Amino acid sequence: EPEVTQTPSHQVTQMGQEVILRCVPISNHLYFYWYRQILGQKVEFLVSFYNNEISEKSEIFDDQFSVERPDGSNFTLKIRSTKLEDSAMYFCASSRGTGANVLTFGAGSRLTVL
Amino acid sequence: DQQVKQNSPSLSVQEGRISILNCDYTNSMFDYFLWYKKYPAEGPTFLISISSIKDKNEDGRFTVFLNKSAKHLSLHIVPSQPGDSAVYFCAASARIGTGNQFYFGTGTSLTVIP
Repeated sequence: EPEVTQTPSHQVTQMGQEVILRCVPISNHLYFYWYRQILGQKVEFLVSFYNNEISEKSEIFDDQFSVERPDGSNFTLKIRSTKLEDSAMYFCASSRGTGANVLTFGAGSRLTVL
Repeated sequence: DQQVKQNSPSLSVQEGRISILNCDYTNSMFDYFLWYKKYPAEGPTFLISISSIKDKNEDGRFTVFLNKSAKHLSLHIVPSQPGDSAVYFCAASARIGTGNQFYFGTGTSLTVIP
């Protein structure tokens, strides 16, 4: 069964450092998403991406965040200058398209900012 | 603004009995509803969904009920099994621009007691 793959599974970084989280969505999916879950809290939407551009972003997705799809397969989330409160599980998800469809999630990347 | 709410953070049920997980939403534009199951250290996995034009969808031990007038949906698991112990997220989808946007509840942790 096709799956969404995320790397790394866990990253520890110092505050202020840049982090890149990588995702390989399902190959025939067209819509890509990043969500995060701070420990003990809800799953929060960060950004959605379609046709090589951001289609929607939340208030959380400020100027320190960026996404890109550099090579047609990888979908990356970059955090330019990490803060302690960025520590969370980051989930990548993809979906086939509009209409009745389902988000398929990756296993997540745990980011720990020290 | 929490558009999808799961008011019960936890639920314990005896093995073999019925588990009922509840979800409320506020946005009448939602046209598709999903339930996800999440084990620790894993990404959410799709469980079952329902379109807004239906009021019931059944898949094996899992049934989702939708009450549009009350903006309420529920997931029934019968009979409950210990392997069902996980966090269950309710999600709602609406067409936003060129794609769908998904909104998640805060989750209900289900424990099935053997």
